[in-house]
Amino acid sequence: QSVLTQPPSASGTPGQRITFSCSGSSSNIGGNTVNWYQQLPGTAPKLLIYSDHQRPSGVPDRFSGSKSGTSASLAISGLQSEDEADYYCASWDDSVNGWVFGGGTKLTVL
Amino acid sequence: EVQLLESGGGLVQPGGSLRLSCVVSGFTFSSYVMNWVRQAPGKGLEWVSTIVNIDETTYYADSVKGRFTISRDDRRNTLSLQMNSLKAEDTAVYYCAKGTHSSAWDPFDYWGQGTLVTVSS
Repeated sequence: QSVLTQPPSASGTPGQRITFSCSGSSSNIGGNTVNWYQQLPGTAPKLLIYSDHQRPSGVPDRFSGSKSGTSASLAISGLQSEDEADYYCASWDDSVNGWVFGGGTKLTVL
Repeated sequence: EVQLLESGGGLVQPGGSLRLSCVVSGFTFSSYVMNWVRQAPGKGLEWVSTIVNIDETTYYADSVKGRFTISRDDRRNTLSLQMNSLKAEDTAVYYCAKGTHSSAWDPFDYWGQGTLVTVSS
């Protein structure tokens, strides 16, 4: 069981807007920032969103992040087939004094 | 170009040891916090350990505490993970990942390609 809770799967059609949720607690999301990672099939993870809503250079503005209380969300607008991947949220946890990840959400583009 | 190259993975028997290395290039290694993250076959990401550059403070997941040791050699641009008393549940691809700055809670902006560790008799 992951400390951060994510739905295991999601699906959408090209052009659609889709959101992923990530639920935690006061010791992680509630008190620290959230990062999102994208893992394309067979590749290493890639930083997609950091500090709740910041995008690294090179990440399209179709990707956006937000946080409220102990939950965070990742949104993808204008869904594309190449967005098919696993998406993980992560946050520093003050209780375990380390990083915690969500179990990941597998996105299928229909 | 930032590059992280892990090595040292392989097949090891339960109770055995293995040492992973991650050689980096393209950035000033001594200026950044470094991390190990693993992924069991078909499973999600699990943070393993972090080492801060400034004072070499280390952090470990409870699942590996007392068995794994993270270290860094800033002269050789190398991050290491010494893994002892290995268990079947340690079987995973191990990634080294660079932090964005010098704090343990900085996100991971570059990842290696990973090295597979298989613990089995």
